[in-house]
Amino acid sequence: NAGVTQTPKFQVLKTGQSMTLQCAQDMNHEYMSWYRQDPGMGLRLIHYSVGAGITDQGEVPNGYNVSRSTTEDFPLRLLSAAPSQTSVYFCASSSPGTNGNTIYFGEGSWLTVV
Amino acid sequence: GQSLEQPSEVTAVEGAIVQINCTYQTSGFYGLSWYQQHDGGAPTFLSYNGLDGLEETGRFSSFLSRSDSYGYLLLQELQMKDSASYFCAVPNTGGFKTIFGAGTRLFVKA
Repeated sequence: NAGVTQTPKFQVLKTGQSMTLQCAQDMNHEYMSWYRQDPGMGLRLIHYSVGAGITDQGEVPNGYNVSRSTTEDFPLRLLSAAPSQTSVYFCASSSPGTNGNTIYFGEGSWLTVV
Repeated sequence: GQSLEQPSEVTAVEGAIVQINCTYQTSGFYGLSWYQQHDGGAPTFLSYNGLDGLEETGRFSSFLSRSDSYGYLLLQELQMKDSASYFCAVPNTGGFKTIFGAGTRLFVKA
């Protein structure tokens, strides 16, 4: 069972470049989210989705776009990368009502913007 | 809004018991969860408290007091492999938007 799969695992970007982090889950979960993790700041919610075609902003949405065309996929787009977006990104999925909405995370994507 | 506070670091010796506290402020409350994250890895779910009291899962237990807006994670018989970061987290209404604390880094010494 693959769970939550995100790619790429590592990426170096130049300032101003754009890229898409891919995320797919095979658990048929309604909810999907993107978090970024910076040292000493825990996990901060970027965007989330409650189902196909429905997305909303989290705590730190600026500089990122998302879409949810299918239940399985939830890509995160950086339109014009900035050094402040250097971080580790985690995609996550969950289903309502399961043990406090247990969140399943992907393995993470390490992004460096130079 | 929602906010959670937990200590940044805790150090304990192998075989000991350690408690990691979490206090929260939320506009509504729908339970407190705990996640573990080893260096370089992804967070993984440990436990959830929807009601007051203690939940036990092997060496790990989690406690919640809704009246005090407070919970803790208790790790017993500490092992070196327990060295990791531990996050408390609260979901919003409906559970689709979960906010995490900044995390507590646990160092287990031999």
